[in-house]
Amino acid sequence: EPEVTQTPSHQVTQMGQEVILRCVPISNHLYFYWYRQILGQKVEFLVSFYNNEISEKSEIFDDQFSVERPDGSNFTLKIRSTKLEDSAMYFCASSEDRNSPLHFGNGTRLTVT
Amino acid sequence: SQKIEQNSEALNIQEGKTATLTCNYTNYSPAYLQWYRQDPGRGPVFLLLIRENEKEKRKERLKVTFDTTLKQSLFHITASQPADSATYLCAHSSSNTGKLIFGQGTTLQVKP
Repeated sequence: EPEVTQTPSHQVTQMGQEVILRCVPISNHLYFYWYRQILGQKVEFLVSFYNNEISEKSEIFDDQFSVERPDGSNFTLKIRSTKLEDSAMYFCASSEDRNSPLHFGNGTRLTVT
Repeated sequence: SQKIEQNSEALNIQEGKTATLTCNYTNYSPAYLQWYRQDPGRGPVFLLLIRENEKEKRKERLKVTFDTTLKQSLFHITASQPADSATYLCAHSSSNTGKLIFGQGTTLQVKP
């Protein structure tokens, strides 16, 4: 069964550095998402992406964050000038259409020191 | 704004029993609710979707109900097994962009 893949599985970075989290969504899916889960807390929506543009973003997704679909397969989340509170599990997800269930990757654990 | 609330206390049951998890929402009835399973350190995995006009949905040992009067969805696992131990998340879509809003999840522990 096709799956969403994310790399790296764990990223350690120093405060103030930039990180890029990578995702390969399922190939025939059209909607892409990033979610975040701080340890012990709920899965939080960051951004949705469709037709090569952001369709919706949360309050968390400020100017520090950006997303890109640089080619036909990858979907990336860039976090500039990382802060300690950015430490979390970041999940990428994709869906066939906006009413379909989401397929999640297994996440990138980001640790900011 | 719409809120999804799940019982944050862990649910401990004996193998073979039926587990029942609750998801309550405030305000308007969402067009549909989705249930996901999340294992530690892994991404959520979709289980079932139930629409507003459906009272009940089944898949193998899983059953979901949707009561718009009570503003509640119940998720049942019959003949539970230790392998069913996980956190179960309820989610609804609050916009037409596909965005899902998740509850905090209920952790189920099935003891042999």
